[in-house]
Amino acid sequence: DVKVTQSSRYLVKRTGEKVFLECVQDMDHENMFWYRQDPGLGLRLIYFSYDVKMKEKGDIPEGYSVSREKKERFSLILESASTNQTSMYLCAIGLAGNGDTQYFGPGTRLTVL
Amino acid sequence: GNSVTQMEGPVTLSEEAFLTINCTYTATGYPSLFWYVQYPGEGLQLLLKATKADDKGSNKGFEATYRKETTSFHLEKGSVQVSDSAVYFCALKSGGGAQKLVFGQGTRLTINP
Repeated sequence: DVKVTQSSRYLVKRTGEKVFLECVQDMDHENMFWYRQDPGLGLRLIYFSYDVKMKEKGDIPEGYSVSREKKERFSLILESASTNQTSMYLCAIGLAGNGDTQYFGPGTRLTVL
Repeated sequence: GNSVTQMEGPVTLSEEAFLTINCTYTATGYPSLFWYVQYPGEGLQLLLKATKADDKGSNKGFEATYRKETTSFHLEKGSVQVSDSAVYFCALKSGGGAQKLVFGQGTRLTINP
């Protein structure tokens, strides 16, 4: 079974704090993704990585950064959390083929007060 | 650019009713199409997929056919159960790059006994 683990299920932070969300996979997949999920908007891609130390912006990268120092680990960083970053954050992994499935972690529900 | 449009929810049905959730897409090239399901409190999991025109994906009694002529991938099930209550996402993946998924906004389905 594919396993994608996210560091926290629920997180509460204050405005201005630096927040780290971590994603770990055990499948040796090249690609890793961070999405945020908001009601009525579906999932929107924040950043993705196709190799160690490689990263590309997704559709909504503003206010976020990422780090991938090891193949199995992909971190999402909120440099200075704001209330509009309250959301569900989902990590996913995948192979490079067009028909290949992306596998998702359980999600982290982040609340910024 | 690529986009996915799903029928708006929420959708409420009685057990054993017939289900259709509409999904249409706009994409360049020849995308792969996916349906993901999110049960309460969980991450997304793949329900079914189709990688070329006229392919039919099926799983757990759900089916969807890749219709290139109508750019559609509607999800159907002949007899729904209470356990099918979840949020359903249609998505596409187009060729090239790191294989990003583009999602629809999601459709919340509730099945009443």
